[in-house]
Amino acid sequence: KQEVTQIPAALSVPEGENLVLNCSFTDSAIYNLQWFRQDPGKGLTSLLLIQSSQREQTSGRLNASLDKSSGRSTLYIAASQPGDSATYLCAVRYNAGNMLTFGGGTRLMVKP
Amino acid sequence: DTAVSQTPKYLVTQMGNDKSIKCEQNLGHDTMYWYKQDSKKFLKIMFSYNNKELIINETVPNRFSPKSPDKAHLNLHINSLELGDSAVYFCASSQDWLAPYNEQFFGPGTRLTVL
Repeated sequence: KQEVTQIPAALSVPEGENLVLNCSFTDSAIYNLQWFRQDPGKGLTSLLLIQSSQREQTSGRLNASLDKSSGRSTLYIAASQPGDSATYLCAVRYNAGNMLTFGGGTRLMVKP
Repeated sequence: DTAVSQTPKYLVTQMGNDKSIKCEQNLGHDTMYWYKQDSKKFLKIMFSYNNKELIINETVPNRFSPKSPDKAHLNLHINSLELGDSAVYFCASSQDWLAPYNEQFFGPGTRLTVL
């Protein structure tokens, strides 16, 4: 069964800390992996998409890595800010069709 | 200039009623999706349409019927609503179905509450 798991489910850090969110997937034969941000009561905002042939993608203070052999991706957030507080979702495209399998998310709180 | 929009944002209704949620995208994408996010916040794919044709139906009860009048619209009609249908429903779109680089863009969600 193709699953996606995110640990921890919740994380609280002081402002300014660098942090890492983890995503693991059960089948290494993926097409791509996408990280999203979801604010309370809002939709999903796409942050980064990593193709299966790539090892990392960067956007501003965000860096996402992909290790297919170990079935893992990490989202690194540098110099965290209170505005980064949200739920971060990892989603894997397992097959040729563009269907995404989502993890349960990590709820991040950055305290001022 | 909203990319993916949904209406209504909130929907409160009684069990047994029939309701519809509308979705529109102005990105020129060929593929659209409906996802359901339950009370535990898990997001699961329900349907996908490519060029107005159904390509995914993930074991969703046939009380749920998607309709795509054109590529820019994918509506979700739900018959005989049940308590368990209460959730947030998200619409999404992507450029097409098979392209390797295929980022999905999501709408703001519709929170459905069945009483």
